[in-house]
Amino acid sequence: KQEVTQIPAALSVPEGENLVLNCSFTDSAIYNLQWFRQDPGKGLTSLLLIQSSQREQTSGRLNASLDKSSGRSTLYIAASQPGDSATYLCAVSRDDKIIFGKGTRLHILP
Amino acid sequence: DAGVIQSPRHEVTEMGQEVTLRCKPISGHDYLFWYRQTMMRGLELLIYFNNNVPIDDSGMPEDRFSAKMPNASFSTLKIQPSEPRDSAVYFCASSPVGGELDTEAFFGQGTRLTVV
Repeated sequence: KQEVTQIPAALSVPEGENLVLNCSFTDSAIYNLQWFRQDPGKGLTSLLLIQSSQREQTSGRLNASLDKSSGRSTLYIAASQPGDSATYLCAVSRDDKIIFGKGTRLHILP
Repeated sequence: DAGVIQSPRHEVTEMGQEVTLRCKPISGHDYLFWYRQTMMRGLELLIYFNNNVPIDDSGMPEDRFSAKMPNASFSTLKIQPSEPRDSAVYFCASSPVGGELDTEAFFGQGTRLTVV
């Protein structure tokens, strides 16, 4: 059974710092891994999608890596800003199932 | 509660036909989301409702797609006419009142749509 774990559950960092969010999954047989952002009361916004054959994806200040063999992914946020405060979720998918982690609540301190 | 219930689980239809996907959110949840998942694009938010009112439909790919929420316990996503590129898994999700950082969205099992 696929399980997705995100550590830490919550994180507070001063504005301007670089930070890393972690995601691990137990079954490496995945099609892709996706990082999402969720603002309070909002739906999920897709940030980065990494196909199983890829190792990383970049978008602006965000960089996501994937090590499928070890069952790990990281989301790196450079030069954090207060607007980055949100919950970040990773999800792995295979067939018609998507398994989400519980997310990391990120708070950027002004 | 049985969770978010979607029907049908699988749908195979011919190109040009109308397709209607159904969702029953968790009772008491004020938010309802429709997502589409494909291997290439991952999970995409199509539209979401708050208290039965559509809030953001910017993810709806074309005018062939429409969604309604006539009451708090039922929503539909309709595709008319359907095309082969609409083949995907469609997820419905609901969440309780927002305002908390740890609000969790609960997903249905999805409807696998195949348009031939």
